[in-house]
Amino acid sequence: AQTVTQSQPEMSVQEAETVTLSCTYDTSENNYYLFWYKQPPSRQMILVIRQEAYKQQNATENRFSVNFQKAAKSFSLKISDSQLGDTAMYFCAFMNLNFNKFYFGSGTKLNVKP
Amino acid sequence: KAGVTQTPRYLIKTRGQQVTLSCSPISGHRSVSWYQQTPGQGLQFLFEYFSETQRNKGNFPGRFSGRQFSNSRSEMNVSTLELGDSALYLCASSLALSRGYDEQFFGPGTRLTVL
Repeated sequence: AQTVTQSQPEMSVQEAETVTLSCTYDTSENNYYLFWYKQPPSRQMILVIRQEAYKQQNATENRFSVNFQKAAKSFSLKISDSQLGDTAMYFCAFMNLNFNKFYFGSGTKLNVKP
Repeated sequence: KAGVTQTPRYLIKTRGQQVTLSCSPISGHRSVSWYQQTPGQGLQFLFEYFSETQRNKGNFPGRFSGRQFSNSRSEMNVSTLELGDSALYLCASSLALSRGYDEQFFGPGTRLTVL
């Protein structure tokens, strides 16, 4: 069975600083995708970044980057130059390509302080 | 292009009642997935519908059911409501042109409170 674990229920960071959110997953599959989703307060969930398991290069989207360690089954999200608008719940997710199913972690609430 | 819409946005029911939630996917999207979001549990996958057929199912009791119509709109039904069913129910749609990765677009959710 696939599981996704986010061990940090809540984190805080000062505006303009860098923060890293942790995620580990467990799977026996070799063909999968990993995602970070952002859910701002009372707003819709949106995709932040995705990583294909077969790619060794870490994905980057502007201020957001990941550290993908396949052997360790670790997938952390780094947010650089944090902004007030980054305040949100962040969910790590795993997609099993063979079954087209998503598995989500329990989320990390990130507070960006001015 | 309009995003995923869900109705109603808020719902209050009592134990034992049943409820139907609706999801309209983005135009052209053929797959609709449903998730239950509760504090501390994150999102748990309920089921996915594609071309009016349930393609995937999570580990929820039979009280949770769904369907998809020919226009890809989907409904989710929960019968004999329990207090533990209180949650934010999210729907997500995707193009589903082929098997494999397909970005999901989420709706705003329906907040269900069971008293």
